[in-house]
Formats: sequence, C-alpha cells, structure tokens
Amino acid sequence: QVQLQESGPGLVKPSETLSLTCAVSGYSISSGYYWGWIRQPPGKGLEWIATIHHSGTTYYTRSLKNRVTISIDTSKNQFSLNLNSVTAADTAVYFCVRHKTGDEYNPFDSWGQGTLVTVFS
Amino acid sequence: DIQMTQSPSTLSASVGDRVTITCRASQSISSWLAWYQQKPGKAPKLLIYKTSSLESGVPSRFSGSGSGTDFTLTISSLQPDDFATYYCQQYNGYSRTFGQGTKVEIK
Repeated sequence: QVQLQESGPGLVKPSETLSLTCAVSGYSISSGYYWGWIRQPPGKGLEWIATIHHSGTTYYTRSLKNRVTISIDTSKNQFSLNLNSVTAADTAVYFCVRHKTGDEYNPFDSWGQGTLVTVFS
Repeated sequence: DIQMTQSPSTLSASVGDRVTITCRASQSISSWLAWYQQKPGKAPKLLIYKTSSLESGVPSRFSGSGSGTDFTLTISSLQPDDFATYYCQQYNGYSRTFGQGTKVEIK
C-alpha cells in the first residue's frame, strides 16, 4: 500500500520560498500515476495546487501558476513543491497526493497526513 | 474555473438518519465528480468517484448520484463514524475544484 509523507519547514517568512518534499513508499513513482499537492488554509476548504507525472509533465492551478513549481526525483522516489513570494494567505496545511489510476484529471485516492506551513515574520 | 457550491454548509443529524448533501457545479461537468470525507486533523478520504462509483473499502451506506450540474451524496443510515466534513470535487475542468464543504454534526 502506497504511503506519502510530507516534510519541510513549518515556518516561512513573507516574500521567501516555501519548499516541501513528499516521500513515497510502497510504490515506485517511476512506474506511473500522477502525483500532486493540495492545500487547506486553517478552517477552510481544499485547493488543488499542482500535479506531475513521472515523465515530468506538469499541471498548475491558474491562480498560483506564476509562483509555483512542482518537480519529481525518481531516484529518491519523491516529489517536491516550491512556492515563492509567499504571503500570509499561503498559510495552510499542505497535502501531497496521488491521483487515482488513469490520467491527471482523476481524483485523489492517496493522501499524506499533511504538514502545516505558517507564513510569519 | 468551474465553481462548486455545496449545501447545506452544516447539517445536524442523528445516528440512523438518512442524510443528503448536494453539490452544484457552475457549468456541466458530466459525471466527473468525487466526494471526500474529512475528519478533524486528518487528510480527506476518497469516498466516491465518477458520481456514483464507490471507492474500495467504503461502506455501502454511502452513495452518489447526479449528472451535469447537480449531484448528491447520500448516507442511508448515519453511523457514529460518519460525523465529519464532506467535500465534493469536480475533475472535468483543468483546475480541479472543490466545494466549500458540508459539516455533518451530531444533533
């Protein structure tokens, strides 16, 4: 059974870059599936951020496209998220996810536990 | 982007009740709709995909229906483990968008 685990700083200063990594176990990401990031501000709803395929093809939500980069490292079986020029509005729990088998549009059938990132000076 | 609107925002119910949550899309999404359950401090869990397909391991008391712009999630007999927040999500458009959530509380 696949497991996803987020890691990264819990505090980021305004205008700096938020960097998170998702370690995948129980499945080789080079074998397939699409992988992504979703965030949830405290007490609020869910927002899809980005998706990547092991081939390197990427997809970004339009509202963050100018600030976000998703990347994949098949040798380490992990993928990462970078969000630059952060503000308090980027404070959220960030989840790494796997899309259900098929294409990049499919819903998310596996989730990490989530990691809270607070933008705070 | 396609907007998803859930109703109600909060629902108070008792164990054994039949519960229905609705989700409306701002434009047609065919059958490309999923439902998730989220408990406090936990990641969401996929319940239903493609409007009515039950994810493996999900109890049969959960069901989904609809097409186009109007969808429903039904819990046939609410169990103590079902008190949680439920989100719909469309995956027809480029930007996969979620509803704002429906919290199912104990009456």
